[in-house]
Amino acid sequence: QKEVEQNSGPLSVPEGAIASLNCTYSDRGSQSFFWYRQYSGKSPELIMFIYSNGDKEDGRFTAQLNKASQYVSLLIRDSQPSDSATYLCAVNMAGSNDYKLSFGAGTTVTVRA
Amino acid sequence: DARVTQTPRHKVTEMGQEVTMRCQPILGHNTVFWYRQTMMQGLELLAYFRNRAPLDDSGMPKDRFSAEMPDATLATLKIQPSEPRDSAVYFCASGPIEQFFGPGTRLTVL
Repeated sequence: QKEVEQNSGPLSVPEGAIASLNCTYSDRGSQSFFWYRQYSGKSPELIMFIYSNGDKEDGRFTAQLNKASQYVSLLIRDSQPSDSATYLCAVNMAGSNDYKLSFGAGTTVTVRA
Repeated sequence: DARVTQTPRHKVTEMGQEVTMRCQPILGHNTVFWYRQTMMQGLELLAYFRNRAPLDDSGMPKDRFSAEMPDATLATLKIQPSEPRDSAVYFCASGPIEQFFGPGTRLTVL
């Protein structure tokens, strides 16, 4: 079982719609969760992080965390063509004080104009 | 605008040659990570440092890869000898907690 799994893409959504990205993780003790966006040929860019159960909103992005279900998601509201990218879920290893992350394989999102 | 810098951005070399990649972390960041990204394996952690001390290099092939941090403003990743399977994009990231990535070095070993 992989440590971090993301829903397989690609995910295609029309402009203005909500894109929903899911991520599950295997280590129940994981404490920190991150979403990165990676445009083709570019480096990963941090867009959200969440540490506590519940929702965290930042602009058009909402991260949702449910530690009991070992599940973290990212919602992109009012999707724009500029949101077309690969989104990487990253999880801090449980019991780790050194912020080492395990990354999922990524979900590629295409926003259709 | 603080950002992680990496050099070179692109490197093409022949099998057997030594490759050195450099990273300048964001000033004040005490943790530096080296990653490799390929289509097949995704993003893999190779090694990381805190306060210049190596904490974990279990992701690196020990016989050919080495990582050092000679000072707080420079981290290096060396491959000697390089092999075609080392072809990938190598990223450096720094942070206290949240990791910020550099632009990467695209390495091609012929």
